Amino acid sequence: GDQVEQSPSALSLHEGTGSALRCNFTTTMRAVQWFQQNSRGSLINLFYLASGTKENGRLKSTFNSKESYSTLHIRDAQLEDSGTYFCAHNNNAPRFGAGTKLSVKP
Amino acid sequence: GPKVLQIPSHQIIDMGQMVTLNCDPVSNHLYFYWYKQILGQQMEFLVNFYNGKVMEKSKLFKDQFSVERPDGSYFTLKIQPTALEDSAVYFCASSLDEEVFFGKGTRLTVV
Repeated sequence: GDQVEQSPSALSLHEGTGSALRCNFTTTMRAVQWFQQNSRGSLINLFYLASGTKENGRLKSTFNSKESYSTLHIRDAQLEDSGTYFCAHNNNAPRFGAGTKLSVKP
Repeated sequence: GPKVLQIPSHQIIDMGQMVTLNCDPVSNHLYFYWYKQILGQQMEFLVNFYNGKVMEKSKLFKDQFSVERPDGSYFTLKIQPTALEDSAVYFCASSLDEEVFFGKGTRLTVV
C-alpha cells in the first residue's frame, strides 16, 4: 500500500548466500509483521515486532520504530525459502507492502 | 502456530449469483479480517470486524460485500451479486491482539 514500501521488488540468491529485505513506512507504526507467501499461496507468519530484533533460525528481523523501517535478513538461503516476502504494519489492521519475490537457485 | 480455517478452498460461481466465504478463526481471537489478493499482486485489506461490528473498511469493500459472525460461529464474507472482477483469492485472518494469523485463502472464480 501507499504506507508501506518494500525493496527490492525481486531478488535472486544462490543457495547458501544471504541478503536483506527492507520495509519503509511512510508514517509512524506500532509494530510490523513479516510473512512468507509460499508457492501454494499460504501466508506463513515469520515475525511480529513492536521494537528491536528477533531471530529465528536463518532469519533475523529488526524494527526501528523511530526511523520507520524494518529489515528481514536471510542467511544460508535454501531452495524452500523461495516465495514472496511481505511486510505489513499493524495499525488497526495489517496493511501490506507490495512484497519481495525471492528466488533461491541451486 | 494458531490455525485459521477457510472453507471452501476453491469456489466457482456464475456472475450475478451470491457467494458466501466461510472462515473459522482461532478460537479465542477477537478481531477478524478479510483480504483480497489477485494472482501475483498485493494483499489488499477489505474489512476488519470486532465485537459484532465492522471497524474499518477499504474502498475495495463494495456495497455488494457484507460480513458477519452470527453467534460466534463462522466469520463470513458474502458477495451479492458477484461480478467478474471479484475473482481473486480471499484471505481471512484473526487476532487476539496485534499479531495477525491468516488462513490459506479461498480462490473465488466468477464466470
